[in-house]
Amino acid sequence: DQQVKQNSPSLSVQEGRISILNCDYTNSMFDYFLWYKKYPAEGPTFLISISSIKDKNEDGRFTVFLNKSAKHLSLHIVPSQPGDSAVYFCAAEVTGTASKLTFGTGTRLQVTL
Amino acid sequence: DAGITQSPRHKVTETGTPVTLRCHQTENHRYMYWYRQDPGHGLRLIHYSYGVKDTDKGEVSDGYSVSRSKTEDFLLTLESATSSQTSVYFCAISPSSYEQYFGPGTRLTVT
Repeated sequence: DQQVKQNSPSLSVQEGRISILNCDYTNSMFDYFLWYKKYPAEGPTFLISISSIKDKNEDGRFTVFLNKSAKHLSLHIVPSQPGDSAVYFCAAEVTGTASKLTFGTGTRLQVTL
Repeated sequence: DAGITQSPRHKVTETGTPVTLRCHQTENHRYMYWYRQDPGHGLRLIHYSYGVKDTDKGEVSDGYSVSRSKTEDFLLTLESATSSQTSVYFCAISPSSYEQYFGPGTRLTVT
């Protein structure tokens, strides 16, 4: 049973435009959500996170939105740059439980010139 | 970069042989984790540690064991490797709940 789902395996966006990556979850106990970025042959890199007590968190070009009633979160990248081309993983956890992350299957973002 | 190294970075082994992967950290973080990444599955937790000699199972622990005798080292052992354990293995560390920081990964092929 996939508790964290990323239904779009891939996304292609033009440079300068907005990239929107989506993630859905089923476990209502999750209270902290994270996005990781992964380049080929490297480990995932932490990008941005959000607590369930917030509905938005912003860090430079990256904004994460959380809709708890819909059990949905999204990552917005504005403006998109070619260096953003990578696989993006959504992850969720129940805090206070040794930070055991549950990951989605990832979305491959390609930013074209 | 968080101070995490993994060794070896690549390994090819035969079915039935034992394999040990090592994760080493220089951050003195309490929590350490082993994940595997497979196409269509994202990253899945194998085992984790919340202190020296304190470990617990994750989602996909069958066929794997771990040990942590020092804060800085977390070992993952495949007692008898199978082809289904061909994967990319990532170690991660965390000072507490919330974010984890990942190592560069080990690509394991079981033939």
